[in-house]
Amino acid sequence: KAGVTQTPRYLIKTRGQQVTLSCSPISGHRSVSWYQQTPGQGLQFLFEYFSETQRNKGNFPGRFSGRQFSNSRSEMNVSTLELGDSALYLCASSLRTSGGPWTGELFFGEGSRLTVL
Amino acid sequence: GQQVMQIPQYQHVQEGEDFTTYCNSSTTLSNIQWYKQRPGGHPVFLIQLVKSGEVKKQKRLTFQFGEAKKNSSLHITATQTTDVGTYFCAGPQGGSEKLVFGKGTKLTVNP
Repeated sequence: KAGVTQTPRYLIKTRGQQVTLSCSPISGHRSVSWYQQTPGQGLQFLFEYFSETQRNKGNFPGRFSGRQFSNSRSEMNVSTLELGDSALYLCASSLRTSGGPWTGELFFGEGSRLTVL
Repeated sequence: GQQVMQIPQYQHVQEGEDFTTYCNSSTTLSNIQWYKQRPGGHPVFLIQLVKSGEVKKQKRLTFQFGEAKKNSSLHITATQTTDVGTYFCAGPQGGSEKLVFGKGTKLTVNP
């Protein structure tokens, strides 16, 4: 079974631009979460999507947005890029279906490394 | 806000020495998970603990969940160079639907 696939793996943008990252979850996984990883802040939760609906959201500005398609594939978008947005963006899928306290394994992709100049 | 604190931030050991990382939550956790991220890689799930006082072993790795379900530890016996990486704990603090990660403990092993 194929793992979580993220594209692109690397990208360089300049301040003010926008970027779209893509994530294909493991087949059968309907929950997709996004995390931002930086050396200083560690892994920070961005949002979770389930059945095309944003189920949870982290403490990030509105410049960060996402969506999920009917095939569970997900995209995240960052508009008006800032230098501080340089990070590894990780997508993770899970078999989690119901709400309530998080439980269950997250399967991470390799990540998309974004550099903002 | 939700916090999962992890110590130490860094640990350097000689091959064969033991290693322990600790995770503390400000609130009770319904469960706690541990992940390992190799250098240049992505986090990989190791284990989930659910019960108060639970202890689980995976070969040289021993995971514990505290009685109050607010802390956890990962102990590696006789480290090997293959153990290098960053170990993260994660939990749904306060019944949250979000999985909150600690900042991790970066382990380096000197051969």
